[in-house]
Amino acid sequence: NAGVTQTPKFQVLKTGQSMTLQCAQDMNHEYMSWYRQDPGMGLRLIHYSVGAGITDQGEVPNGYNVSRSTTEDFPLRLLSAAPSQTSVYFCASSLGAGGYTFGSGTRLTVV
Amino acid sequence: ILNVEQSPQSLHVQEGDSTNFTCSFPSSNFYALHWYRWETAKSPEALFVMTLNGDEKKKGRISATLNTKEGYSYLYIKGSQPEDSATYLCAPDAGGTSYGKLTFGQGTILTVHP
Repeated sequence: NAGVTQTPKFQVLKTGQSMTLQCAQDMNHEYMSWYRQDPGMGLRLIHYSVGAGITDQGEVPNGYNVSRSTTEDFPLRLLSAAPSQTSVYFCASSLGAGGYTFGSGTRLTVV
Repeated sequence: ILNVEQSPQSLHVQEGDSTNFTCSFPSSNFYALHWYRWETAKSPEALFVMTLNGDEKKKGRISATLNTKEGYSYLYIKGSQPEDSATYLCAPDAGGTSYGKLTFGQGTILTVHP
């Protein structure tokens, strides 16, 4: 039982490049979320999903796309990376009634 | 976006001290209140999810209470140990169409000195 797996752990991108941060969970959780963590800003919700085929925007969705084609996977796409997207990204999942299980994070630097 | 405030921002205590901190959130549109513990270089870990006014939950030396009418929750740590050093986050869930969407406070950074 791996929990929530995020890949990659570290990534450096050039401004304008695109990439996908992967998130997979093996707990059959319906709810999945993406957060970014910036100094002094805490955890801010980017996008979330309540089940396969259903996604919604969070507090800071601009510049990011998500899709949820399966219960297990919830990838986060950066369309055209900007230095302002330098951050640590966390994926999390939940059954709904309990707390969220977080992945180990992806540290992204955009130069 | 919910307005979530945690106080104090940071706290230094000695080993063996008991401590508590506060999470304030909008009392309207409330469904649940989450508490997480976040150790440096690790991921946030769920401590409690509380839904009912007057609810009290306990996990070892850590306990939490909830007042939904006035919009606050307290987290207590009894007899703090160095391994309790972490950032403690709270996050309300407004429920309804926002069910599962958590808004995190900035956290209380606890340092326990041996």
